[in-house]
Amino acid sequence: AQKITQTQPGMFVQEKEAVTLDCTYDTSDQSYGLFWYKQPSSGEMIFLIYQGSYDEQNATEGRYSLNFQKARKSANLVISASQLGDSAMYFCAMRVSGSARQLTFGSGTQLTVLP
Amino acid sequence: SQTIHQWPATLVQPVGSPLSLECTVEGTSNPNLYWYRQAAGRGLQLLFYSVGIGQISSEVPQNLSASRPQDRQFILSSKKLLLSDSGFYLCAWSAVGLGGWGNTEAFFGQGTRLTVV
Repeated sequence: AQKITQTQPGMFVQEKEAVTLDCTYDTSDQSYGLFWYKQPSSGEMIFLIYQGSYDEQNATEGRYSLNFQKARKSANLVISASQLGDSAMYFCAMRVSGSARQLTFGSGTQLTVLP
Repeated sequence: SQTIHQWPATLVQPVGSPLSLECTVEGTSNPNLYWYRQAAGRGLQLLFYSVGIGQISSEVPQNLSASRPQDRQFILSSKKLLLSDSGFYLCAWSAVGLGGWGNTEAFFGQGTRLTVV
């Protein structure tokens, strides 16, 4: 079974600063994907970034980057130059290869960007 | 482009009443389809998933059921709602990953806020 742990229920960051949201995972599978989603107060789930277990380079998407440390089973999300619109709930998720069972989610981190 | 529609956006239902939430996907064929539930301030719990018409897998035994009568239609139902069924329900789809790799993200609908009173 897969498990995702997000140990930061809430985080605060000053506008224009960088912030790291922690995520650790547990799986016995060798092939898997790690995802980060953003959920604003409206409730929609917005896909941010993906990292494959065999990817050697850390994934980046604009201001988002994923700090992937496979040996430590961590996949932290780094948001650079935070904006007020980044205030939202952030979820880390995992899907193992070959499984239609989609996306085991962590409990989320509520990020608040301060002006 | 692909789109996913989910309705209604909000719903208030009395205990013991039936439920039907519908989700449809456009612009893709043979998607994997999913129903998630999110309790207030919590993560997402997978309820059901489907890899094809009439194929439903249940993750959590409960008061709910799901059906997939058409390739791009996924329905969440209940015969009698309980107070504990209140929550935010999200439908999602994903493409089948190449070679089975877990590299396909899920795309979510707007969600339905269900309040059972």
